[in-house]
Order: sequence, then structure tokens, then C-alpha cells
Amino acid sequence: AQSVAQPEDQVNVAEGNPLTVKCTYSVSGNPYLFWYVQYPNRGLQFLLKYITGDNLVKGSYGFEAEFNKSQTSFHLKKPSALVSDSALYFCAVRDGGATNKLIFGTGTLLAVQP
Amino acid sequence: DGGITQSPKYLFRKEGQNVTLSCEQNLNHDAMYWYRQDPGQGLRLIYYSQIVNDFQKGDIAEGYSVSREKKESFPLTVTSAQKNPTAFYLCASSKTLTGELFFGEGSRLTVL
Repeated sequence: AQSVAQPEDQVNVAEGNPLTVKCTYSVSGNPYLFWYVQYPNRGLQFLLKYITGDNLVKGSYGFEAEFNKSQTSFHLKKPSALVSDSALYFCAVRDGGATNKLIFGTGTLLAVQP
Repeated sequence: DGGITQSPKYLFRKEGQNVTLSCEQNLNHDAMYWYRQDPGQGLRLIYYSQIVNDFQKGDIAEGYSVSREKKESFPLTVTSAQKNPTAFYLCASSKTLTGELFFGEGSRLTVL
């Protein structure tokens, strides 16, 4: 069965510092991986996705993610955090070979201090 | 502008009442989804539909029902059989099987 794990409930970082939000996954086939962001009482907004190709994926608002097949990870990164990046971040995976369902992690709250 | 519209944004109901949440999209997407969000549990899939007049149960379908009579619309009914219906409900759509999901702004249901 496919699954995704976000091991940190919360990540704290100072403004201007690099940030990393971790995600690991488990699928039986080739993974389709996604990152979304959610602001309070709002829907989710798409940040970036990995389907195939380059392991480093660039997305919206300066975010990027690195696909690592051997470690089954897809960590979200940004070189310099902004206070406005503070939000809830979700990693999601779809098993490309088995199902059309998109499974979400439990979310990581990113808090950027000024 | 194209997008997904969910209504109402906030809804209060008494126990034992059925409630229907609306979801409309004008993105011409074939696939539509309903997720439930609870604090600390992420998003859990309730139902999804790949095409008009067809839908499949997700991981937590018990106590919920859906219909997909039109491509643009995918309403969710929370029935009295749902034991803990208070939650934030999110509707989404996607154009392709590998594509990203586009989400509505959500509907917060509180059962008193």
C-alpha cells in the first residue's frame, strides 16, 4: 500500500535561513510526488511535483524539492525563508502504476521567525 | 477566472441531520475528489470520481454519499450515519491521472 510520512509536526527557522521540510514515501510502482501549502482556513495550493526526469524540481514561491529514490525521500527546500512562508505544508504521493488516489502526509507546520 | 467553488464556507447542523456540501468546477477537469481534514491527521480521501456518472469510495466513505451527474459538479452529502462529522471538507479536481490537484477553499462543518 502506498503511504507518505512527514516526520516533523513543526519546523522552526529564522527568516533568511534555509529551510527543509522532510517527506518520505512508500509505493509499489513509480512514485508521483507533490508538495502543497495551506494557509489557515484555506484550501491547499500546489507548489511543485515530481513525475519523472531531473531529481531537483523547482516550484512556486522559490521552493524546490529533491527526489531521492534510494532514500525514498522528497524533501522540500528553500534557500532563504520568509515570514510569509509560515504555513502548513503537505507532501503527497500517487502510485503511478496501481491507483489514481493521491495520499497525503499529516502535514508539517512551518514557523518562520522574523 | 477558472477554479473550484465550495459552498457554504461554514455550516452548523444538529446531530441526526443530513447535510450536503456543494462543489463546482469550471476547469473542465474529469476527475474530482472529496477530502476530510482533521487536526494532526492530514487529508483523508472520502470519495473520488474519474468521470461523469461514476465514482469510487476512498478510505473513509462510511456515512457519506456523492453523485456525479454533471462534469462540473460533485456534491457531498454527510449523512446522519457519519459518527463524527465535524471537520473541514475539501473538494479538489485534476485534469489528468498524473496531474496536480486543484483545491477549493473548503467547507467547515460543525455538528452541535
